[in-house]
Amino acid sequence: GAGVSQSPSNKVTEKGKDVELRCDPISGHTALYWYRQSLGQGLEFLIYFQGNSAPDKSGLPSDRFSAERTGGSVSTLTIQRTQQEDSAVYLCASSLQKQETQYFGPGTRLLVL
Amino acid sequence: EDQVTQSPEALRLQEGESSSLNCSYTVSGLRGLFWYRQDPGKGPEFLFTLYSAGEEKEKERLKATLTKKESFLHITAPKPEDSATYLCAVQGGVTGGGNKLTFGTGTQLKVEL
Repeated sequence: GAGVSQSPSNKVTEKGKDVELRCDPISGHTALYWYRQSLGQGLEFLIYFQGNSAPDKSGLPSDRFSAERTGGSVSTLTIQRTQQEDSAVYLCASSLQKQETQYFGPGTRLLVL
Repeated sequence: EDQVTQSPEALRLQEGESSSLNCSYTVSGLRGLFWYRQDPGKGPEFLFTLYSAGEEKEKERLKATLTKKESFLHITAPKPEDSATYLCAVQGGVTGGGNKLTFGTGTQLKVEL
């Protein structure tokens, strides 16, 4: 079946602009996660959605970062007033339940000039 | 705070030369230890989940084992197509952080003919 999909695959933006990254989880998966992978760093947790519960935002690095999940499916990660240090690969994952194996999408490569 | 350390950072093997990758971890209440494979420019691909000390899982030339402090990924008679970065992650049981994965920085494996 179809895996996790993300768009765009690559995004180049100028410092100070806002960007939106999209994630389509595997159909039927109730849990959705966003991670960030910077060069030479491990994957860093950003935010987690489970069903209709309030999201776990404990990993968001600043209030410039926000995410929403509409209808329990598609999620959008928004970065406002982008900075050069936001340049990274943003990865989305989904799982059947909150403690199940997480399956990752291909990522969005963000470059802030 | 959950921590994961992987060693070595990089490993070069000749085809057929077996070896092991190490993942040391500290976690409050391990819910699961995960191994992923990541190819350049792609998202992590799930390999194994281990839940308790003594557990072992195998897939083709890969075998993952788990103790209370570390996990090993054994690669038997590797082939060039096994070249990738191997990521280890833990899911802990501390409230408020029990759903996210904490990743190591990975071992970059290159298998040469």
